[in-house]
Amino acid sequence: SAVISQKPSRDICQRGTSLTIQCQVDSQVTMMFWYRQQPGQSLTLIATANQGSEATYESGFVIDKFPISRPNLTFSTLTVSNMSPEDSSIYLCSVLWRDEQFFGPGTRLTVL
Amino acid sequence: ILNVEQSPQSLHVQEGDSTNFTCSFPSSNFYALHWYRWETAKSPEALFVMTLNGDEKKKGRISATLNTKEGYSYLYIKGSQPEDSATYLCAFSSNDYKLSFGAGTTVTVRA
Repeated sequence: SAVISQKPSRDICQRGTSLTIQCQVDSQVTMMFWYRQQPGQSLTLIATANQGSEATYESGFVIDKFPISRPNLTFSTLTVSNMSPEDSSIYLCSVLWRDEQFFGPGTRLTVL
Repeated sequence: ILNVEQSPQSLHVQEGDSTNFTCSFPSSNFYALHWYRWETAKSPEALFVMTLNGDEKKKGRISATLNTKEGYSYLYIKGSQPEDSATYLCAFSSNDYKLSFGAGTTVTVRA
């Protein structure tokens, strides 16, 4: 399986600030995704991180709020911009590896 | 947004007992049904990927079945152990590999 790490594992941030989450995978992968789980809600797909081009966002998510970078086939970042308490969630990256999706351990974000 | 539903939301099981819970999903544009096990502060662990109607898969004491025509899957835990305590997530995917998750079933096994 693919081994995925995320940084930071958790953070507490003030409203109005931004946080960048890093996702590193130990193998080159074609597809990487970013998900979030708000308290009491299902895991929800934010966007597909495309290598060498702009990310593809799902309905309800926009690039200005969640800019994503994917500079190569093993690394991606998600930034949560201008944070509000509603952004308090667990953010997870995932990769497609041999037709299965593997997830990182998540970043637990609390916005005060 | 695809409607994936899991029930029950939570359940408590006595150690040694067996249990099962369900996942319902849209039967159109089906590509795969995924089951994950998620413990707090850990990565969701992939349990099964199921693609064919009538599929049955097994991993140790955990098994799953799939009915794509009626849009449901069951996950079974045989002889529950405390280490089985976790949230079990199912997710539906079409052929674009994007996952639509249910809210999960949280299993607590009492010793």
